[in-house]
Amino acid sequence: DVKVTQSSRYLVKRTGEKVFLECVQDMDHENMFWYRQDPGLGLRLIYFSYDVKMKEKGDIPEGYSVSREKKERFSLILESASTNQTSMYLCASRISGANVLTFGAGSRLTVL
Amino acid sequence: GQQLNQSPQSMFIQEGEDVSMNCTSSSIFNTWLWYKQDPGEGPVLLIALYKAGELTSNGRLTAQFGITRKDSFLNISASIPSDVGIYFCAGPTDSWGKLQFGAGTQVVVTP
Repeated sequence: DVKVTQSSRYLVKRTGEKVFLECVQDMDHENMFWYRQDPGLGLRLIYFSYDVKMKEKGDIPEGYSVSREKKERFSLILESASTNQTSMYLCASRISGANVLTFGAGSRLTVL
Repeated sequence: GQQLNQSPQSMFIQEGEDVSMNCTSSSIFNTWLWYKQDPGEGPVLLIALYKAGELTSNGRLTAQFGITRKDSFLNISASIPSDVGIYFCAGPTDSWGKLQFGAGTQVVVTP
């Protein structure tokens, strides 16, 4: 089975801190995605990457950046965390051309 | 862009009851996906639908791809406590296959 691993399950950060959320997948998938999940809003796409060193903005990229230096790793970066970025962050991956995503367990970030 | 409306937002049901939820889109979809998210975990794929009118089952779950291609339904029969979670519908919004998700249906099962 494909495994998508988000190394930090729970984080607490202070306003203004730089935050890195890491995601690693082990099945050689080309495409990787970052979503945030908020009650009543479902999953909203922040950024995605179709391949190494490629990145595209999703629906809510403001306040975030990403890095994809290696195929298996997709990092989400909050340059200066703010309280409205308190959320559950979900990473996902898939084979290029497929629709089905495989998700990680999520990283719950609290910004104080 | 495309809008996905999922209803109901939440359901409180007794063990043994059947559950129904649906999603509607403002545009035509060529794929519908249904995911379940257990508390504290990431979403897991339940059923994928690829053809209008398609009816697919996975154990006690049955999903249908609406004839108009603008809606989909998920039914859970004879609910059990482990059915608790959030159920999401999703579909690709563009030729690259970016998925859009519904807001989710939270299911709570009481004994």
